[in-house]
Amino acid sequence: GAVVSQHPSRVICKSGTSVKIECRSLDFQATTMFWYRQFPKQSLMLMATSNEGSKATYEQGVEKDKFLINHASLTLSTLTVTSAHPEDSSFYICSAPGQGAYEQYFGPGTRLTVT
Amino acid sequence: SQKIEQNSEALNIQEGKTATLTCNYTNYSPAYLQWYRQDPGRGPVFLLLIRENEKEKRKERLKVTFDTTLKQSLFHITASQPADSATYLCASGDSGYALNFGKGTSLLVTP
Repeated sequence: GAVVSQHPSRVICKSGTSVKIECRSLDFQATTMFWYRQFPKQSLMLMATSNEGSKATYEQGVEKDKFLINHASLTLSTLTVTSAHPEDSSFYICSAPGQGAYEQYFGPGTRLTVT
Repeated sequence: SQKIEQNSEALNIQEGKTATLTCNYTNYSPAYLQWYRQDPGRGPVFLLLIRENEKEKRKERLKVTFDTTLKQSLFHITASQPADSATYLCASGDSGYALNFGKGTSLLVTP
């Protein structure tokens, strides 16, 4: 089955620093990937759609200059949280559409803690 | 706005019983609904997809129904086991687009 990996799985950083999260499709190509954020006991909320070779599409209320997305290849999308603050602490999850294009395959998530 | 609601935050049942989880949608008519399982600290895992013209779909001990009149999908786990304990998410979305998730229902199956 399709596998999506994320790295790192956990990261702790100081306020004001930047953190990069990688999302890779291991055994398939993904021209589109999605980035979600999940707060405790809340649903996954879409942050942005990452498109290979073009600019990402951000959801309303998500600052594109703060959450930089780069989809440089068909198997890798990166999310960089710039000038992180404690309120950015969350669980960040990426996904890519499956072959059927309906179901999605999710990465294991990245737990970001900003101190 | 389009809403997916899973009104039950938590469900506790005894091993061997059937767990039934509910998903309701409002202000739109999704062409299909999907169900995912999410374990603590992990990403969701796809379980089942059901289209609006399908009344019911099964996969092993799992069964999903889609009632367009009630605007509701039910997710059943028969002969539940403690290993089924997890959060189950209902979602909708167009092909190739991001998913709109409900908050999820946390299922606990006790021995």
